[in-house]
Amino acid sequence: EAGVTQFPSHSVIEKGQTVTLRCDPISGHDNLYWYRRVMGKEIKFLLHFVKESKQDESGMPNNRFLAERTGGTYSTLKVQPAELEDSGVYFCASSPRDMETDTQYFGPGTRLTVL
Amino acid sequence: AQKITQTQPGMFVQEKEAVTLDCTYDTSDPSYGLFWYKQPSSGEMIFLIYQGSYDQQNATEGRYSLNFQKARKSANLVISASQLGDSAMYFCAMREGGRYGNEKLTFGTGTRLTIIP
Repeated sequence: EAGVTQFPSHSVIEKGQTVTLRCDPISGHDNLYWYRRVMGKEIKFLLHFVKESKQDESGMPNNRFLAERTGGTYSTLKVQPAELEDSGVYFCASSPRDMETDTQYFGPGTRLTVL
Repeated sequence: AQKITQTQPGMFVQEKEAVTLDCTYDTSDPSYGLFWYKQPSSGEMIFLIYQGSYDQQNATEGRYSLNFQKARKSANLVISASQLGDSAMYFCAMREGGRYGNEKLTFGTGTRLTIIP
């Protein structure tokens, strides 16, 4: 079974540009989460999808961030326009929506550098 | 207040020794889950072990065990017989509320473990 995949693995952009990150969850996982780790700080929650619906977006830092999950499969996280403080590693995680487990399985992350 | 506290930024341990990574948590919710993840230098986050707040026994997964002391609100990770491949960053995380509740994870700042040959 394939794990959570994320694309790209690295992205270097200039301030003011747009970047779109993609996450493919484990097949069949209805829950999809985005997290971010800014250099030297803890990993922080951004938002949670259940299928295509946003269940919790309380961690989204501002309206420059837009997450979508059309069709309830893969998800994209767009940053527009990017700022220097958006640099960090963006993780995606997924989990099944059942009572047996709530373990979130993480992807390898996308390292975003804004210059 | 920090919800997850990992007080050891870095640890050096001799190969084959046991190691304990500390984690304390803060929540008023009676239902919660505690997780440990490993992040090697390659960057991926690997799930290690889970402990539910209502679980009667400490969780174990191979060489990993979780020393869960509910009254002290601690959930330390114990790695027995450490190996060179255990060198990595380790994160403690908590999910507050029952399943289908507030499901986001709150993470600690991590502990960087280095195993010395």
